[in-house]
Amino acid sequence: GAVVSQHPSWVICKSGTSVKIECRSLDFQATTMFWYRQFPKQSLMLMATSNEGSKATYEQGVEKDKFLINHASLTLSTLTVTSAHPEDSSFYICSAPPAGGDTQYFGPGTRLTVL
Amino acid sequence: AQSVTQPDIHITVSEGASLELRCNYSYGATPYLFWYVQSPGQGLQLLLKYFSGDTLVQGIKGFEAEFKRSQSSFNLRKPSVHWSDAAEYFCAGPPSGNTPLVFGKGTRLSVIA
Repeated sequence: GAVVSQHPSWVICKSGTSVKIECRSLDFQATTMFWYRQFPKQSLMLMATSNEGSKATYEQGVEKDKFLINHASLTLSTLTVTSAHPEDSSFYICSAPPAGGDTQYFGPGTRLTVL
Repeated sequence: AQSVTQPDIHITVSEGASLELRCNYSYGATPYLFWYVQSPGQGLQLLLKYFSGDTLVQGIKGFEAEFKRSQSSFNLRKPSVHWSDAAEYFCAGPPSGNTPLVFGKGTRLSVIA
């Protein structure tokens, strides 16, 4: 099956710093990628839809200036958490459907801890 | 609104016993439906999916699911559970093919000896 990777797998940062998370589709192209956030013992909540070559679409309540998304190529989307605060600590997961496909494949997730 | 519901938050079964995890959906048309499994601290792994055709779908790790339009359900089953099946299970269904997944709240499966 298709493989999606994320880097880093975990990161610890100080409050006020910015953190960049990468999501890559390793063996397929993805014009669209999705970013989810998952708090402990909860389901995944969609944050935004990343579109290659255009602006991301954010879900209601998600600050686009805080969670910067860039989809610069057909295999890479990045999520930058700017001026991170402890309440941003969470598990961030990306997913991507192969172009023209119907099934989404998930990355392994990135655990962000903001001190 | 289109939604996916998993009525059971936590289920405990004995190793070797059968398992059924419930999932209900509310969509107008025939939905795309998925079951994913998540181990602690890990991403989601696709177990199986239903798009159309045969309503009994076979997946990986011995899992299967049956789509029942009359009951708006897509329950996941396994005839004999192994301790390694302990994880969080999510039912999901997008409105159409290339749109974000809508997740149920998940069902945590515990397996006891």
